[in-house]
Amino acid sequence: DAKTTQPPSMDCAEGRAANLPCNHSTISGNEYVYWYRQIHSQGPQYIIHGLKNNETNEMASLIITEDRKSSTLILPHATLRDTAVYYCIVPTRGTSYGKLTFGQGTILTVHP
Amino acid sequence: SQTIHQWPATLVQPVGSPLSLECTVEGTSNPNLYWYRQAAGRGLQLLFYSVGIGQISSEVPQNLSASRPQDRQFILSSKKLLLSDSGFYLCAWSAGPYGYTFGSGTRLTVV
Repeated sequence: DAKTTQPPSMDCAEGRAANLPCNHSTISGNEYVYWYRQIHSQGPQYIIHGLKNNETNEMASLIITEDRKSSTLILPHATLRDTAVYYCIVPTRGTSYGKLTFGQGTILTVHP
Repeated sequence: SQTIHQWPATLVQPVGSPLSLECTVEGTSNPNLYWYRQAAGRGLQLLFYSVGIGQISSEVPQNLSASRPQDRQFILSSKKLLLSDSGFYLCAWSAGPYGYTFGSGTRLTVV
């Protein structure tokens, strides 16, 4: 998998937008960026993924820079339940197995 | 809709005892299946993956084995548990290459 770099931790006030950055400077042209999160003592949960264009769903928005070397996950109105570890992953294409490699992620703490 | 079942939720086993964790998927056919482990305070480590019945690939050498006796059943086993086998074990599936759905996990404590 292409290497990704995320800050180890971030804080956010409840109700404010949480912007989580990720650097993936070695990403190839056909590789997607995936975001997952893991709430304490639960399995990781898929959030969103994208290739080139910005994406939005009911959980979050994903902004990918034009050169695709970095991206930002945006939680528009963070709640206390969004406190979790957020993982940015760029799986390596070329296999049918699609193995995801999880790094250390960003610990997001949402406070009242 | 697709669902994934993993049990038991928690398990305390003595050193040297056997282990069997089961994972089943509903609502899909021929999924890719994965076993991950997360040691306390550590990241997720891929242990095994399977692209079909009887097809198992191991990612890291270890004290564990995996089997896939049916299309939607994935089993993680050990003949003799070690203290270092303690951790949070997660089963996952994907129908396409890269979107995963994880089970709720089994927290294993080897004593």
